[in-house]
Amino acid sequence: DAGITQSPRHKVTETGTPVTLRCHQTENHRYMYWYRQDPGHGLRLIHYSYGVKDTDKGEVSDGYSVSRSKTEDFLLTLESATSSQTSVYFCASAREPETQYFGPGTRLLVL
Amino acid sequence: GENVEQHPSTLSVQEGDSAVIKCTYSDSASNYFPWYKQELGKGPQLIIDIRSNVGEKKDQRIAVTLNKTAKHFSLHITETQPEDSAVYFCAASPVGAGSYQLTFGKGTKLSVIP
Repeated sequence: DAGITQSPRHKVTETGTPVTLRCHQTENHRYMYWYRQDPGHGLRLIHYSYGVKDTDKGEVSDGYSVSRSKTEDFLLTLESATSSQTSVYFCASAREPETQYFGPGTRLLVL
Repeated sequence: GENVEQHPSTLSVQEGDSAVIKCTYSDSASNYFPWYKQELGKGPQLIIDIRSNVGEKKDQRIAVTLNKTAKHFSLHITETQPEDSAVYFCAASPVGAGSYQLTFGKGTKLSVIP
């Protein structure tokens, strides 16, 4: 398995506050992804990166931004958290774009 | 965009029996089809994948079949064991068409009864 860690693993925050989730990989993978997982919806892509400083939007990008300043780190920011962003967030990385390996997830609760 | 349907949503089998999970996809440009296993509280784990130039792929007790004409692919688990109990996700992607996105099915919760 790819060496992917996510931090924090759990977070509780209040509506309107900014939140940043971190994904760190030690595999020197070029591609990185952020997904959210919700009951009844499976995994949905939020944003992805195909290189340092190269990012693009996924299916459910509204309300989220990302940054990738180093190969190993991919940050997901909720500028102003809302209750609809309560979810489990997974990061993935890949050497080739399709073969993705997932991290352990971050459980976010927005009150 | 791509749409992936997965059935059944839940599946219970006796230990030692086989389990089959089916997925259909809509985009004929899709050519990469992975399967992930997710245990409770963990991230999805890639267990097997198949590309469109192959009709079947096996890895010990797990096999995946692909029918591009009908746009469906299936996961077969033989001689099921309690540790196979998990949620399984299929996905599809049009690799090489400028897309980096996997589209996932909604998952199948497999329970293997000892």
